[in-house]
Amino acid sequence: AQKVTQAQTEISVVEKEDVTLDCVYETRDTTYYLFWYKQPPSGELVFLIRRNSFDEQNEISGRYSWNFQKSTSSFNFTITASQVVDSAVYFCALSEAILGNEKLTFGTGTRLTIIP
Amino acid sequence: KAGVTQTPRYLIKTRGQQVTLSCSPISGHRSVSWYQQTPGQGLQFLFEYFSETQRNKGNFPGRFSGRQFSNSRSEMNVSTLELGDSALYLCASSLTGNFETQYFGPGTRLLVL
Repeated sequence: AQKVTQAQTEISVVEKEDVTLDCVYETRDTTYYLFWYKQPPSGELVFLIRRNSFDEQNEISGRYSWNFQKSTSSFNFTITASQVVDSAVYFCALSEAILGNEKLTFGTGTRLTIIP
Repeated sequence: KAGVTQTPRYLIKTRGQQVTLSCSPISGHRSVSWYQQTPGQGLQFLFEYFSETQRNKGNFPGRFSGRQFSNSRSEMNVSTLELGDSALYLCASSLTGNFETQYFGPGTRLLVL
């Protein structure tokens, strides 16, 4: 069964600091996708990234970067030079197809607070 | 382009009743997926519809059902409501589905008394 673990329940950092959110996953499949979502205080989920299991290249998008390491089953998310607007709950997720049915499993989320 | 809209935004029902929630995707998007978010169980995937067909399904009982219309609008129905169904229900639209680049609506907050 697939599983996503976000061990960090809450993180607080001072504005402009870098912060890394950890995500560890379990799956028996060789083909799967990994995701990150952001849920700001307004409650509306925001899709950040989708990465397939065959692409281990790190991804950078502005201040956001993602580090995918199959060897440790991790897909970590780093925010560089954090800003107050980055305060949110961040969810990591995994999807895999079982008998043609693709399911998405979320981690429990990490609440990130950026202190001005 | 208008975003994803969900109606109603808030709803109060009593145990045993049924409820229907609606989601209108971004114009041109053919996939709508539904999620339930509760403090206890977290975020959970319910199902995904693509071109009027249910394509993927999470681990929810048959009381949870959905459908999608030819204009891609989707409805989710929960029958015989239980207290544990109180949750924020989110829908997301996507051009191609299978969780690729999703845009989420504001959610419907359901309270079951």
